[in-house]
Amino acid sequence: DAMVIQNPRYQVTQFGKPVTLSCSQTLNHNVMYWYQQKSSQAPKLLFHYYDKDFNNEADTPDNFQSRRPNTSFCFLDIRSPGLGDAAMYLCATSRTRELAGANNEQFFGPGTRLTVL
Amino acid sequence: GQQLNQSPQSMFIQEGEDVSMNCTSSSIFNTWLWYKQDPGEGPVLLIALYKAGELTSNGRLTAQFGITRKDSFLNISASIPSDVGIYFCAGQGGSEKLVFGKGTKLTVNP
Repeated sequence: DAMVIQNPRYQVTQFGKPVTLSCSQTLNHNVMYWYQQKSSQAPKLLFHYYDKDFNNEADTPDNFQSRRPNTSFCFLDIRSPGLGDAAMYLCATSRTRELAGANNEQFFGPGTRLTVL
Repeated sequence: GQQLNQSPQSMFIQEGEDVSMNCTSSSIFNTWLWYKQDPGEGPVLLIALYKAGELTSNGRLTAQFGITRKDSFLNISASIPSDVGIYFCAGQGGSEKLVFGKGTKLTVNP
């Protein structure tokens, strides 16, 4: 089945210790997104790639970086995790970045729960 | 920026009851999406709506794209325990980005 896969599902890191979360997709979608979701809140977009074109949200801290080495994979790097970065991190994909229309929905992976000690 | 007002914030119902939740905005959206999120999981797409006035069903779920393009509702008929979760509406307006509502937490008592 075509899907969005995130590894690991649970990640524990220490305060200030760099961590990388990974996402892969078998949907062959052009757009990949990273969201941060804290408890009882809606997902918050951090950045997205349209193919290799990187788009950062204005309020995403510099502590968060991303890499997309190929169509299938995208990584989220947190350079120096703080306690406030503990959250669920969601990867999503969409076929294209057309503004509207059928078959351009975002599909989410199962998420990685990050704990910062 | 664009914002979505989703209500109610939470619902406690008995198994077998029907459920209705909605989202409204002061902005126009081109697409409305409804997602369900189980604890510890990512959101799962339930229904996508593309045209004003569109009414779409997916099993016991029915959703509509408001005529003004500023609102949408989701109905769940004959609720069952596995309907428990958080339901998010999301709209797409002038870009590929999603604007999310704050979610409706549904509890179903057997």
